[in-house]
Amino acid sequence: QKEVEQDPGPLSVPEGAIVSLNCTYSNSAFQYFMWYRQYSRKGPELLMYTYSSGNKEDGRFTAQVDKSSKYISLFIRDSQPSDSATYLCAMSVVGTSYDKVIFGPGTSLSVIP
Amino acid sequence: NAGVTQTPKFRVLKTGQSMTLLCAQDMNHEYMYWYRQDPGMGLRLIHYSVGEGTTAKGEVPDGYNVSRLKKQNFLLGLESAAPSQTSVYFCASSYDPNPMNTEAFFGQGTRLTVV
Repeated sequence: QKEVEQDPGPLSVPEGAIVSLNCTYSNSAFQYFMWYRQYSRKGPELLMYTYSSGNKEDGRFTAQVDKSSKYISLFIRDSQPSDSATYLCAMSVVGTSYDKVIFGPGTSLSVIP
Repeated sequence: NAGVTQTPKFRVLKTGQSMTLLCAQDMNHEYMYWYRQDPGMGLRLIHYSVGEGTTAKGEVPDGYNVSRLKKQNFLLGLESAAPSQTSVYFCASSYDPNPMNTEAFFGQGTRLTVV
């Protein structure tokens, strides 16, 4: 079993839809969770991060963590064509460094105008 | 501000050839990383550096070597390329090693095909 799993997609939605992107993980010690957005032929860029459980909102984006289920989600409201990208989840144990961060394989999202 | 710049952006190698990928950052970051990205797999750390003159192995170091002679540059070398090294390679840098303290910035990637 991989430490972090994501449905690779591709996920195709109409403009304005609510998008739900998800990751599951196996290591219960993970407490710091990140979402990266990666446009085609570009490097990943940090979109959001959350610590432990709960929700965090930033504009149209909401990151949610359910530690009991080992499940994290990224919701995109009022999706736009500019949101078309691959979304990578990443996670780590608190206090560890970047060399211990585990990345998911990414979910490809297309928002159709 | 250029951020993290990778050279080259594309390369095709024949099996057994060698090459060096260059990563340059202009943010005065101590920490630099080399990842590879393959379909269906997350970013996997190859090697990293915690400062000028230092290098350390990541998750998948075999077949690669690195050097950090200058703080702003991190080189990734393939001595004898194999088809299994066909991948997209990303360099990243960060001010602090802890992701809770600072963001890592990625380059645009190098697409390498080994035939």
